[in-house]
Amino acid sequence: EVQLVESGGGLVQPGRSLRLSCTASGFTLGDYAVSWVRQAPGKGLEWVGFIRSKAYGGTTEYAASVKGRFTVSRDDSKSIAYLQMNSLKTEDTAVYYCTREGVRIVVVPAATVRLDYYYYMDVWGKGTTVTVSS
Amino acid sequence: DIQMTQSPSSLSASVGDRVTITCRASQSISSYLNWYQQKPGKAPKLLIYAASSLQSGVPSRFSGSGSGTDFTLTISSLQPEDFATYYCQQSYSTLSYTFGQGTKLEIK
Repeated sequence: EVQLVESGGGLVQPGRSLRLSCTASGFTLGDYAVSWVRQAPGKGLEWVGFIRSKAYGGTTEYAASVKGRFTVSRDDSKSIAYLQMNSLKTEDTAVYYCTREGVRIVVVPAATVRLDYYYYMDVWGKGTTVTVSS
Repeated sequence: DIQMTQSPSSLSASVGDRVTITCRASQSISSYLNWYQQKPGKAPKLLIYAASSLQSGVPSRFSGSGSGTDFTLTISSLQPEDFATYYCQQSYSTLSYTFGQGTKLEIK
């Protein structure tokens, strides 16, 4: 069964750090980009950041709200992705989900062949709760 | 950043109704638009990707359309299990994804 399982959530004081893990099973994590998405209590979904697969450079991108404080990394040999959260703030309190980025590649006929990459979050973990409070 | 605005924010409907939810992008995003369903206490579930492609295993009563800045999610005949919150998400900007604020679909 294809699944993602998050762990590492808990209660942490403002200014402290926490590392979340996302363990994949049923598929090869290294073949996919991984996104982290969070949801504050009673609020909507907020994209946090993602890491591309090694085939696409393994580079990362972040939402402005966490840039410079959060870091996404991956260990494909262990099928685990991580979200390192530093300098935590009370507004970081949320359920954190990791997701697998599926992709549909479309060949676009043109003077030179162009490939369009349609990314979507097709597998989600159940989430782990992070509470930042003194 | 690209802003995504959904309307309505909430909607009451009955079993069997046809329902349409709209998502508007602050700039053209071609067809880089996904739809998710979330039930209380659960993780979101992918319904539609690339604006109109139905994810495997999702009932055919769900459909998506649109391109550029305006998109719709349609449920052709509401079933009891469809009452949930729906989110759109743009993947046009691979530097920064954004979700709509959500549309809560409730039983009338």
